[in-house]
Amino acid sequence: QVQLVQSGADVQKPGASVKVSCKASGYTFIAYYLHWVRQAPGQGLEWMGCLNPNSGASNYAQKFRGRISMTRDTSITTAYLEVNSLTSDDTAVYYCARTRPPNYFGSGSLGDWGPGSLVTVSS
Amino acid sequence: QSVLTQPPSASGTPGQRVTISCSGGSSNIGKNAVNWYQQLPGTAPKLLIYSDNQRPSGVPDRFSGSKSGTSASLAISGLQSEDEADYYCAAWDDSLSGVVFGGGTKLTVL
Repeated sequence: QVQLVQSGADVQKPGASVKVSCKASGYTFIAYYLHWVRQAPGQGLEWMGCLNPNSGASNYAQKFRGRISMTRDTSITTAYLEVNSLTSDDTAVYYCARTRPPNYFGSGSLGDWGPGSLVTVSS
Repeated sequence: QSVLTQPPSASGTPGQRVTISCSGGSSNIGKNAVNWYQQLPGTAPKLLIYSDNQRPSGVPDRFSGSKSGTSASLAISGLQSEDEADYYCAAWDDSLSGVVFGGGTKLTVL
């Protein structure tokens, strides 16, 4: 079965960076886009971008361009989200999610989700 | 301000039928498939409806989706206490080149 296992909770100071990981198993890693979605405390879902694990190409929401990076290591079927220049507004649970089959760029159908990684930004 | 517009709350009694609306535009709902997610308290979202009206395996047929033009709806019939959750609509937006979500609707089972 498809599993997305994320890294644990992290606390960072304002201005620092954080890197969240998402270990995939149970399917062909390079065959499906991986998306990152965040949720601030008590707030709704916010799409950050998606990664093509096959090519390594990524597509970021306008709001985050220049401040985030999505990468992957195919040898260990793991995707990463790095967020730079953190502020308190970045305190949130960060989810990775896999596109539901059929896989294509432009699909908003996220069929499998990781449990989320809580990132707290505090001085 | 979310690109897709949902009512912030909805409610119903057990056994009732409730609907949740989602309003968008020509670059998202008007052109692309609508998906609905259910988020139970303290858990990750779960895909409830995809491609406007399709249910993933395991989702009860009490849940149904529909779309007309630039609006979509999620209907829940035979409401149960375990349906109490937050519901989000989402779609790909061609202008933004990304997924857009509604602000979420908190469903309360009275």
